[in-house]
Amino acid sequence: EAQVTQNPRYLITVTGKKLTVTCSQNMNHEYMSWYRQDPGLGLRQIYYSMNVEVTDKGDVPEGYKVSRKEKRNFPLILESPSPNQTSLYFCASSADSGVGEQYFGPGTRLTVT
Amino acid sequence: DQQVKQNSPSLSVQEGRISILNCDYTNSMFDYFLWYKKYPAEGPTFLISISSIKDKNEDGRFTVFLNKSAKHLSLHIVPSQPGDSAVYFCAASENNNDMRFGAGTRLTVKP
Repeated sequence: EAQVTQNPRYLITVTGKKLTVTCSQNMNHEYMSWYRQDPGLGLRQIYYSMNVEVTDKGDVPEGYKVSRKEKRNFPLILESPSPNQTSLYFCASSADSGVGEQYFGPGTRLTVT
Repeated sequence: DQQVKQNSPSLSVQEGRISILNCDYTNSMFDYFLWYKKYPAEGPTFLISISSIKDKNEDGRFTVFLNKSAKHLSLHIVPSQPGDSAVYFCAASENNNDMRFGAGTRLTVKP
């Protein structure tokens, strides 16, 4: 089944404790991206990657890192999480050469205390 | 600075009637527009898109209209069904790189 998977689905952590949210797609898509969803703000793009080893900042990249060492994986790294990063995070991928029509993962709800 | 705005947080319509969801944008360089639907506890799913060279695109019960001079986008659902109840996000892209989303409109279709 074609899908985008994220792990973990739920995470509660403390300020400053490094964490990684994994994202994997099995559709051989070149484009992948990360979003956060907050009430009243919709989805905001954090980072995107148009291909392996190519990443670019989205709308809200501060406090996040990403890497794209393999085509299928695009982990999101929070080196020192803070409470304002409490949010619902979505990973997405697209078959197009650019952002196009994206397939989204099920989401990761992160709480930073 | 939100470049894509959905000014109606919610909309309620009767089953069988038309649902019209609206979206405004400020960046005249946007050239590709999409609508996504989101159910609770799931990721958004793509619904329909339109390129800036068109002013209308249809897919079954869903039609998207683009008015570039007004920087306005709308999604029409006819006829509306209870299963259409979800949050709808408008999105826009410039040069197919990054993407900007609106805040979403929660549609409720009453039986």
